[in-house]
Amino acid sequence: DSGVTQTPKHLITATGQRVTLRCSPRSGDLSVYWYQQSLDQGLQFLIQYYNGEERAKGNILERFSAQQFPDLHSELNLSSLELGDSALYFCASSVGLSGGDQETQYFGPGTRLLVL
Amino acid sequence: GENVEQHPSTLSVQEGDSAVIKCTYSDSASNYFPWYKQELGKGPQLIIDIRSNVGEKKDQRIAVTLNKTAKHFSLHITETQPEDSAVYFCAASVPSYNTDKLIFGTGTRLQVFP
Repeated sequence: DSGVTQTPKHLITATGQRVTLRCSPRSGDLSVYWYQQSLDQGLQFLIQYYNGEERAKGNILERFSAQQFPDLHSELNLSSLELGDSALYFCASSVGLSGGDQETQYFGPGTRLLVL
Repeated sequence: GENVEQHPSTLSVQEGDSAVIKCTYSDSASNYFPWYKQELGKGPQLIIDIRSNVGEKKDQRIAVTLNKTAKHFSLHITETQPEDSAVYFCAASVPSYNTDKLIFGTGTRLQVFP
């Protein structure tokens, strides 16, 4: 158990809909990262937040947005959903800002999204 | 651009044999290289990492080597066991605007047969 929690575990919805995925980082971690994992593309970095502020962006679509709240939990909002958005969405957390350089990222168990 | 190539995509070995997974990165500024193990239905779990000032690191049956000149790094698992069966991902840090981010390889599915 990494200490990172994600809800819900599974989500089934229809095209055109909007969903919100939630992540709670490990106690004491200030950085939260979101990743998308689809069968043909591996783990794709979407976005990073540090202490409530956006710090880095990856291949995140304009239909997707995220935020980190004062209690450090984060939400990933996916709107106008398409069939191709079906994937596993992982949240990870690290202690500080560097994340990719000096600090381990700990992953949550993921949310499996199925868009029908 | 930012890219991490990982080979092979699948690897089958007999229990007790060694397994080697190789990755190549493109950004010469990368200086942190973690390896993650992902079991079915779970999130990736860090198993070992290496930083650019080190050429090799070992932790019991697993080791990682780094060749910065060639931009290669590899994961070595010795005396493989059935519980080593999983998907393994390499990653490389890439400097971003005011932080670093991780770029992941496409994964290697390792199967260890008893």
